[in-house]
Amino acid sequence: QQQVKQSPQSLIVQKGGISIINCAYENTAFDYFPWYQQFPGKGPALLIAIRPDVSEKKEGRFTISFNKSAKQFSLHIMDSQPGDSATYFCAAIGYSSASKIIFGSGTRLSIRP
Amino acid sequence: DVKVTQSSRYLVKRTGEKVFLECVQDMDHENMFWYRQDPGLGLRLIYFSYDVKMKEKGDIPEGYSVSREKKERFSLILESASTNQTSMYLCASDSNTGELFFGEGSRLTVL
Repeated sequence: QQQVKQSPQSLIVQKGGISIINCAYENTAFDYFPWYQQFPGKGPALLIAIRPDVSEKKEGRFTISFNKSAKQFSLHIMDSQPGDSATYFCAAIGYSSASKIIFGSGTRLSIRP
Repeated sequence: DVKVTQSSRYLVKRTGEKVFLECVQDMDHENMFWYRQDPGLGLRLIYFSYDVKMKEKGDIPEGYSVSREKKERFSLILESASTNQTSMYLCASDSNTGELFFGEGSRLTVL
């Protein structure tokens, strides 16, 4: 019940294409869903996050789509660029407490020029 | 600019050695965390601390201990390193908004 399942494990997208990473959760107590971006040799950093009272959040080329009834959320990267090549982690948090954060297994995204 | 600093980026140790991983944050955050990152397994929580001298076990505490003597410093200790502890270790702190700030990681190899 505490898992967050992330797919795919790796993804290759052509420059200019749309990258889509999916996550699913089971625990309905989660109330905050962040995405972290990690470049090689760096620690993860918060990219974008959403709360379950909205179905979509957009920041520049990055969009989170959230389906509360299906308990699924996804990250869409529009007009993908080589600089977007990184590992992406979805996560879910209960009670807005980072000590309760559950991470997905990560997706390694490669954008081909 | 917020900063979490891990003192050792790369370490090579031998089986049975005691290993210290140090982490310092300059954001006056109360909560600090140690994660382990392995391919395909994501980020797994080892220990966290919500106050000086306080600690809580995470999902995989076996073989590890921690120390938090000062608010800004959180240390991860491997009492007797084993080869299955070869991994990337990430320290993080929390602003109580749910956003974690990570250090750049310490890659430990145990031979």
